[in-house]
Amino acid sequence: DAKTTQPTSMDCAEGRAANLPCNHSTISGNEYVYWYRQIHSQGPQYIIHGLKNNETNEMASLIITEDRKSSTLILPHATLRDTAVYYCIVRVGSNYKLTFGKGTLLTVNP
Amino acid sequence: EAEVAQSPRYKITEKSQAVAFWCDPISGHATLYWYRQILGQGPELLVQFQDESVVDDSQLPKDRFSAERLKGVDSTLKIQPAELGDSAMYLCASSSPIRGGSYEQYFGPGTRLTVT
Repeated sequence: DAKTTQPTSMDCAEGRAANLPCNHSTISGNEYVYWYRQIHSQGPQYIIHGLKNNETNEMASLIITEDRKSSTLILPHATLRDTAVYYCIVRVGSNYKLTFGKGTLLTVNP
Repeated sequence: EAEVAQSPRYKITEKSQAVAFWCDPISGHATLYWYRQILGQGPELLVQFQDESVVDDSQLPKDRFSAERLKGVDSTLKIQPAELGDSAMYLCASSSPIRGGSYEQYFGPGTRLTVT
C-alpha cells in the first residue's frame, strides 16, 4: 500500500470549513483513498473513500487531484464534535487490512 | 444501528499473567480484524479472519499472542504471558462491502489494557 503524508495537527473555528490535506505521491492506479477518523477513546470511524472522482456524502467531501498524488478531506461546517484524529489511507479496494499512519489531529475551537 | 461489541472495556493485569479479550462483530460480517494501538500511534493489524480461517497474522507475536474464531462469529484474542510493552488499546473491527468492490471497516470501542 502507498504511504501517505499528513500534517501532524490543524485548528479550525467552529462553523467554518475544515480542509485536511493528504499527500500520496506513490499511489498506484488501483489504489483507493480512504479517510477514517478517531475521536478520543473511541474506535476509528469510516468517513469516505474515492478512486479518481471527487466524492461527497453526509459527513464530508473528498477532493482528489487529477494526477491522484494528493487529496483533501473537507468538513463543510465543522463542529466541536469533529475534533478527532483524521487518517488518510490508500489501499487496494478490497477486503484487506487498513494501514494507519499517525494522522492529523484536528481541533475545532469555539 | 448494529455495532461491534468488545469486552472488557478496560483491563489491568500484572506482567506474566494471562489476559483475554472478546469481540462480537456485526451480524453477517464474515471478515474480522484485531488491531493494536499504542498511545500516539495509529492502529496496527494483528490478525485478520475470513469466517473461521486466519488470512493474515504476519504481525501477531505468536510466542505469546493467540486468536481464534471457532464458529466464524465471535472471536477471542489472548496474551500469555503479558509484558509491560503490551499496554495498548486492542481494537476489533468487522467489514462489509460498499460501492465499487471496496469494503468499509466498522470498529468496536476497544479494550484498554494496562500491564503493571
